[in-house]
Amino acid sequence: DQQVKQNSPSLSVQEGRISILNCDYTNSMFDYFLWYKKYPAEGPTFLISISSIKDKNEDGRFTVFLNKSAKHLSLHIVPSQPGDSAVYFCAATAYSGGGADGLTFGKGTHLIIQP
Amino acid sequence: GAGVSQSPRYKVAKRGQDVALRCDPISGHVSLFWYQQALGQGPEFLTYFQNEAQLDKSGLPSDRFFAERPEGSVSTLKIQRTQQEDSAVYLCASSPDRELNTIYFGEGSWLTVV
Repeated sequence: DQQVKQNSPSLSVQEGRISILNCDYTNSMFDYFLWYKKYPAEGPTFLISISSIKDKNEDGRFTVFLNKSAKHLSLHIVPSQPGDSAVYFCAATAYSGGGADGLTFGKGTHLIIQP
Repeated sequence: GAGVSQSPRYKVAKRGQDVALRCDPISGHVSLFWYQQALGQGPEFLTYFQNEAQLDKSGLPSDRFFAERPEGSVSTLKIQRTQQEDSAVYLCASSPDRELNTIYFGEGSWLTVV
């Protein structure tokens, strides 16, 4: 029973174009969402987050959109660069329920930026 | 070092052997987390410490798994009588507070049980 789903195992995008990574969740208690980026043989690194009181958060080339009614969020990267090639994990938690006790991760999407 | 350090990076254990995985969090970080990541999966929460107190161990898959952080700094994840399904990357993460966007992950300890 996966509570956070990333249905695309991989995504290939041309350099300079927009990359859109999608994530769906089932637990309506989730109220805080994060995206992590992971290179091979390294630990995940925090990229961007969004609280459920917002529907958009932007940080440079990265924007996360949240659609609470659809229980869907997406990460937009524009323009895509070769260094963006990595596995991207969507994660969620019921933060307002008590704290940072643990994140529920999706299986990840492997983003490949084509030159 | 400046980041979360884990050791060993790679461990091959025979089935039935006990293993201990060490995590050195970033100095001064209050919160420490352990996650298990199986091949092709996302990280799954195992346990959480705030200083030396283990506040949540709901993700530990069986009583063969045990974690401690006796002095509120270094943490050890111990797996007794390892089985093949324990093969995974074990990720440690730390945070200076309980804010989720300040969690830093280590590189992981890759455990293979043969």
